[in-house]
Amino acid sequence: SQKIEQNSEALNIQEGKTATLTCNYTNYSPAYLQWYRQDPGRGPVFLLLIRENEKEKRKERLKVTFDTTLKQSLFHITASQPADSATYLCALDNQGGKLIFGQGTELSVKP
Amino acid sequence: DGGITQSPKYLFRKEGQNVTLSCEQNLNHDAMYWYRQDPGQGLRLIYYSQIVNDFQKGDIAEGYSVSREKKESFPLTVTSAQKNPTAFYLCASSIRLGVVGYGYTFGSGTRLTVV
Repeated sequence: SQKIEQNSEALNIQEGKTATLTCNYTNYSPAYLQWYRQDPGRGPVFLLLIRENEKEKRKERLKVTFDTTLKQSLFHITASQPADSATYLCALDNQGGKLIFGQGTELSVKP
Repeated sequence: DGGITQSPKYLFRKEGQNVTLSCEQNLNHDAMYWYRQDPGQGLRLIYYSQIVNDFQKGDIAEGYSVSREKKESFPLTVTSAQKNPTAFYLCASSIRLGVVGYGYTFGSGTRLTVV
């Protein structure tokens, strides 16, 4: 069966450290993968998109990698800040252009 | 400012009642989507629409209905046939289905509770 899995346990890190979140998938062949941020009681906000032929993408303090052999994407936030605390969702296209979402990983950055 | 507006923010439904959730966008996007979010689960696709007067079932369409009479609007009706409707409902839009390079824009959600 098709699955997208993110770390189910919350990630707690100290301010200034790098946060690394994982997204694994099985039985998909996505053309691209996206990452979103969601704050409590709000809709997700698009952060980054990485295509299947791209190994890495950066945007300010964010970095995403995409390994189609391992079927895994890693999402990094460098120099993390308490304002980065949120739930982060990965999503991939299901060959029909529709996005399938993981369950999200909650990140908590402590001062 | 362009965006998606969902209303109401909170909605309470009695047993056996149909309720309609509103979703309006002014982004000139062709594609619109409805997702349901339950605690600890990913977003699950209910319905989507590529163009006016066309819509398709997603993974969990049973007990729901939609319409797309205008490009800007994509209302979702939760019918009495939906046995477990309590959830957070999210509407989203994108430029066009399958266009790579752009993410979805989401509304701020409607929290529906059965009383």
